[in-house]
Amino acid sequence: GAVVSQHPSRVICKSGTSVKIECRSLDFQATTMFWYRQFPKQSLMLMATSNEGSKATYEQGVEKDKFLINHASLTLSTLTVTSAHPEDSSFYICSASTPGAGYTEAFFGQGTRLTVV
Amino acid sequence: GQQLNQSPQSMFIQEGEDVSMNCTSSSIFNTWLWYKQEPGEGPVLLIALYKAGELTSNGRLTAQFGITRKDSFLNISASIPSDVGIYFCAGQLVGNKLVFGAGTILRVKS
Repeated sequence: GAVVSQHPSRVICKSGTSVKIECRSLDFQATTMFWYRQFPKQSLMLMATSNEGSKATYEQGVEKDKFLINHASLTLSTLTVTSAHPEDSSFYICSASTPGAGYTEAFFGQGTRLTVV
Repeated sequence: GQQLNQSPQSMFIQEGEDVSMNCTSSSIFNTWLWYKQEPGEGPVLLIALYKAGELTSNGRLTAQFGITRKDSFLNISASIPSDVGIYFCAGQLVGNKLVFGAGTILRVKS
């Protein structure tokens, strides 16, 4: 299957600082990337859909000014957590899909563990 | 919004036993997916189901898409220690968005 690489895998930051997480599709072009958030022992919750060259679409309840998403190329999307607070500590996971009609498999990155202290 | 009800929440079984977990939804999905997630990793696709009533196998894993498109089960036969992890069902929406179940934590005692 296709490979999606997420970086960094772990990050610890101070409260009030911003953190950028990268999601790269290594061997395919992804017109759409998704960002999920997962709390311990809970399911993945979709935060936003990132489309190359356009603004991201955020799910209800997700602050777009807090979680900045940029999808500048077909192989890279970034999520920036701005002015991070301890409650932003979580596991963030991206996925990327190849274009096409009907079902297209979403390939997941390995996730980023964010800890805000 | 759409929700998937996944059960059981967790299972602790003896190596060699068969495992069954299921998901139900009040909404219809065109595609139903089963993923496995290991600690500190992203989910990995196990089985994808596209047609109502479809029964699909992947090694020791078997999954079926319910006739009503509102439910699915995943069976694992002859469990082994490396089956340990969290299993998620997911329904696919328009635009390739996924809605995930709450997950089933599987522990295997060898």
